Amino acid sequence: EAQVTQNPRYLITVTGKKLTVTCSQNMNHEYMSWYRQDPGLGLRQIYYSMNVEVTDKGDVPEGYKVSRKEKRNFPLILESPSPNQTSLYFCASSLSQGTGELFFGEGSRLTVL
Amino acid sequence: GENVEQHPSTLSVQEGDSAVIKCTYSDSASNYFPWYKQELGKGPQLIIDIRSNVGEKKDQRIAVTLNKTAKHFSLHITETQPEDSAVYFCAASEHNDMRFGAGTRLTVKP
Repeated sequence: EAQVTQNPRYLITVTGKKLTVTCSQNMNHEYMSWYRQDPGLGLRQIYYSMNVEVTDKGDVPEGYKVSRKEKRNFPLILESPSPNQTSLYFCASSLSQGTGELFFGEGSRLTVL
Repeated sequence: GENVEQHPSTLSVQEGDSAVIKCTYSDSASNYFPWYKQELGKGPQLIIDIRSNVGEKKDQRIAVTLNKTAKHFSLHITETQPEDSAVYFCAASEHNDMRFGAGTRLTVKP
């Protein structure tokens, strides 16, 4: 089954404690992206990757890092989480950027205390 | 960059009625306009999309219209059913830059 898998689905952590949200897709997609969803703000792009070893900032990259060492994986790293990073995070993948269907994971709800 | 505005933010309709959600975009170069449906506890899923060379597209009870001159596009759902209740996002994309609207929470009352 074609899917994007994120882990963990739910996480409560404390300010400053590094965490990683993993994302994996099994569709051989070149393009992967991270979004955060906040009430009234829709989906805002954090980082994206056009292919292995190619990453770029989206609209809200501050406080986040990503890596793309393999085509299927695109982890999101919060080196020192802060309460304003409390949000619902989605990973997505697509055959190509911008003009094709995005396949989203089920989301990871992060709370930073 | 692109800016997408979506209205209304919430919409409540009676089962069987129609629902319309409208979006406007700012970048005249945008050429791809997808609509995503997000059910509770799930990620958004594409339900219909339209490209700039087409004015309207239908798929059973859902349709999307595009007015490039006015830079707006709309989602129309006819004969709404309770399972249509969800958050709907519009988006506009110009090659490498896709932006989403803020979302519309649709509630269909039985």
